Amino acid sequence: QSVLTQPPSASGTPGQRVTISCSGSSSNIGSNTVNWYQQLPGTAPKLLIYNNGQRPSGVPDRFSGSKSGTSGSLAISGLQSEDEADYYCAAWDDSLNGPVFGTGTKVTVL
Amino acid sequence: QVTLKESGPVLVKPTETLTLTCTVSGFSLSNARMGVSWIRQPPGKALEWLAHIFSNDEKSYSTSLKSRLTISKDTSESQVVLTMTNMDPVDTATYYCVRIGRLITTVREVNAWLDPWGQGTLVTVSS
Repeated sequence: QSVLTQPPSASGTPGQRVTISCSGSSSNIGSNTVNWYQQLPGTAPKLLIYNNGQRPSGVPDRFSGSKSGTSGSLAISGLQSEDEADYYCAAWDDSLNGPVFGTGTKVTVL
Repeated sequence: QVTLKESGPVLVKPTETLTLTCTVSGFSLSNARMGVSWIRQPPGKALEWLAHIFSNDEKSYSTSLKSRLTISKDTSESQVVLTMTNMDPVDTATYYCVRIGRLITTVREVNAWLDPWGQGTLVTVSS
């Protein structure tokens, strides 16, 4: 069961900016860093953003992340067709002693 | 290059025990601050963390599934094994093994990342 809340869907036309929110609590996002994962159709998830806003090697800089209080946010600027995917936020939860995931957001490029 | 690969049955019957093996390469299960997690995803649903084991043998389990899960590792064989007892059709899902890294930041936040992921294995529970 998901502990972090995300909007179920987001969309935009090519070139637009899309943002996805992730709401948690004091035991997870409020205390620890936020990561984001991208899951392209039919594939395993991939780390997209870690430590709130850092990008692993190979991730385009049009993906950016931030955190404020008990919420995180992912922004995709210059939206491209290949960005159509499901996006999940995650954070360590001190009560669980493990990571918790968001409900997931499906991004559609119109 | 770090890779993880899951192996195990594709079909199990209700009440049976599922045993999944994750074979890793490109890193050692004795690496400090590194471990292996199991994550599952029912068809069309969100990701759910199940368990993890770190290099120092620290283990942790999902609260809701704790009574049914056991995780262990064989460092010499580079394998992590997850067992889940009393399988039910609701446990039908793709099961992923993932390397987990964890460190404490300068402001005492836990930064835990999951990377890379195995390809996943779909396990169906049906009689």
